[in-house]
Amino acid sequence: GAGVSQSPRYKVTKRGQDVALRCDPISGHVSLYWYRQALGQGPEFLTYFNYEAQQDKSGLPNDRFSAERPEGSISTLTIQRTEQRDSAMYRCASSRTTGRGEKLFFGSGTQLSVL
Amino acid sequence: ELKVEQNPLFLSMQEGKNYTIYCNYSTTSDRLYWYRQDPGKSLESLFVLLSNGAVKQEGRLMASLDTKARLSTLHITAAVHDLSATYFCAVDSRGGSNYKLTFGKGTLLTVNP
Repeated sequence: GAGVSQSPRYKVTKRGQDVALRCDPISGHVSLYWYRQALGQGPEFLTYFNYEAQQDKSGLPNDRFSAERPEGSISTLTIQRTEQRDSAMYRCASSRTTGRGEKLFFGSGTQLSVL
Repeated sequence: ELKVEQNPLFLSMQEGKNYTIYCNYSTTSDRLYWYRQDPGKSLESLFVLLSNGAVKQEGRLMASLDTKARLSTLHITAAVHDLSATYFCAVDSRGGSNYKLTFGKGTLLTVNP
């Protein structure tokens, strides 16, 4: 596609429910990233993939958060047993590679609200 | 832990004026990125700075990097309303690849007629 696509655009859920956020990167982009952005803050790194391999998940807050990219394209970020503190904008980004100076292209994000 | 600080966080300026946004970071890095975010929109890459002394310009915006001072600046020349947005700097905290960016809190720029 022309850009990074994320769905749903908005997700409202009740505390304790599981949610799955989807990211469709730019075609041909090897690297895919998940960031989380709180209101009035800059994005915060969560995890990153090269092809289907999850290279770094050090930014995931706890084991309720997981991500996968099974075929090296679309990725899903899953949050189990959601809590109110999980409410934020979740942004996906992709880049051609992780080479020096490669630009990250961000999607429009999924706004998650946990009630 | 890498810290990235931007100032000012809020900037209101008149059209036609010049101003500079500052980005300080706490650890050695020679790759710094500037992004723009319009309200309710995603982040758009503006500049990638990859070496000490790097300077890049596009339109009314010019970015520079001083790795010794751990400082980047984003200079706005003769501001116009269309530049109103939030500007983020981000620093790569790992060598060899750029996947783990640490962002500043952003500078909300409002350009008034």
